[in-house]
Amino acid sequence: KAGVTQTPRYLIKTRGQQVTLSCSPISGHRSVSWYQQTPGQGLQFLFEYFSETQRNKGNFPGRFSGRQFSNSRSEMNVSTLELGDSALYLCASSYEGAGELFFGEGSRLTVL
Amino acid sequence: GQQLNQSPQSMFIQEGEDVSMNCTSSSIFNTWLWYKQDPGEGPVLLIALYKAGELTSNGRLTAQFGITRKDSFLNISASIPSDVGIYFCAGQYSGGSNYKLTFGKGTLLTVNP
Repeated sequence: KAGVTQTPRYLIKTRGQQVTLSCSPISGHRSVSWYQQTPGQGLQFLFEYFSETQRNKGNFPGRFSGRQFSNSRSEMNVSTLELGDSALYLCASSYEGAGELFFGEGSRLTVL
Repeated sequence: GQQLNQSPQSMFIQEGEDVSMNCTSSSIFNTWLWYKQDPGEGPVLLIALYKAGELTSNGRLTAQFGITRKDSFLNISASIPSDVGIYFCAGQYSGGSNYKLTFGKGTLLTVNP
């Protein structure tokens, strides 16, 4: 059974640009969550999608957004990038949201 | 918001030694998860705990869900070099379909061969 797949693995952007990250969950999983990981703040919850609807949201500014498609694949977008947005962005999938969450390898974003 | 205190922050041990790390919370959880993360990779789920008092093993790993639902510990027995990495605890309170995980800051484990 394939795991959670995130693309791209690495990317470099400059301030003011925008970025879109993609996540394909484990087959059959309907919940996709996104987390930001930085050395200073650790793992922080961004948002969760279930059946194409944002079900939960963390404390991030509106520049961070996401969506989920009918096949459960999800994308997250960050607009007007800031230096502080440099981080590892992790996607996690689960069957319905509760219990075991399985993470992808992450997308490493560097903002210059 | 919910806070998880994970300790110790780092450990440096000799191969073959046992390791123990724990997490405490200011709030209750109804699920505790333990993850291991290698550099540049995503966290890998090690053990999931669903019931207060539950003790679960996965090979050389043993984890327990505290009776108060506010704490959990992870033990690694007979450590080996490949145990090196960062271990995270995560708590989940799935009330009202809010399934977000709250993570500890991690325990960096170094194993000296």
